[in-house]
Amino acid sequence: KAGVTQTPRYLIKTRGQQVTLSCSPISGHRSVSWYQQTPGQGLQFLFEYFSETQRNKGNFPGRFSGRQFSNSRSEMNVSTLELGDSALYLCASSLTWGGQRGYTFGSGTRLTVV
Amino acid sequence: DAKTTQPNSMESNEEEPVHLPCNHSTISGTDYIHWYRQLPSQGPEYVIHGLTSNVNNRMASLAIAEDRKSSTLILHRATLRDAAVYYCILSRSGGGADGLTFGKGTHLIIQP
Repeated sequence: KAGVTQTPRYLIKTRGQQVTLSCSPISGHRSVSWYQQTPGQGLQFLFEYFSETQRNKGNFPGRFSGRQFSNSRSEMNVSTLELGDSALYLCASSLTWGGQRGYTFGSGTRLTVV
Repeated sequence: DAKTTQPNSMESNEEEPVHLPCNHSTISGTDYIHWYRQLPSQGPEYVIHGLTSNVNNRMASLAIAEDRKSSTLILHRATLRDAAVYYCILSRSGGGADGLTFGKGTHLIIQP
């Protein structure tokens, strides 16, 4: 079956712009989580959605937001981009929220802010 | 959140078993122990998870200490493709889970 699909794979944006990243989970998975990975901070949890509701949120400013649609697809938005937002953004899906059955990660979207 | 401690790096030879340790002395009774690995230029990959009993799957085995304060991921016969960063993570069961908290992980180097 198809894995977790993230689009686009690469993105270059200018400081101050906004960006929307997309994630399609594995068919049947209803939980979608987002993570940010940088060389300095490693992998950090952004938020998790389940049945179109945000269930958990990490310690990120309000510029980072997300949503989940009825088909479980999810989008993540970052407004007023800063240079420090340059990172690999990873999406992960799971059958249930909380990930007790394990998460399947996508290959990520590499965002560069210039 | 309960934290885990792993060695920064480990080195092993191809076709030999590898034992990756993880300490989690503050683990709570409802924390599951998860292992993920991340190969270069890829997202993390689920390896195995367990609660109290030892677990086996096609990728690896997970040995959990009786007091649950430590665990060991066992790769029975390492290949060059197993070279990756391995993360040991605790995740609370049921409601209130706060996502996966990734530490620095163990960088596993496999020598041919």
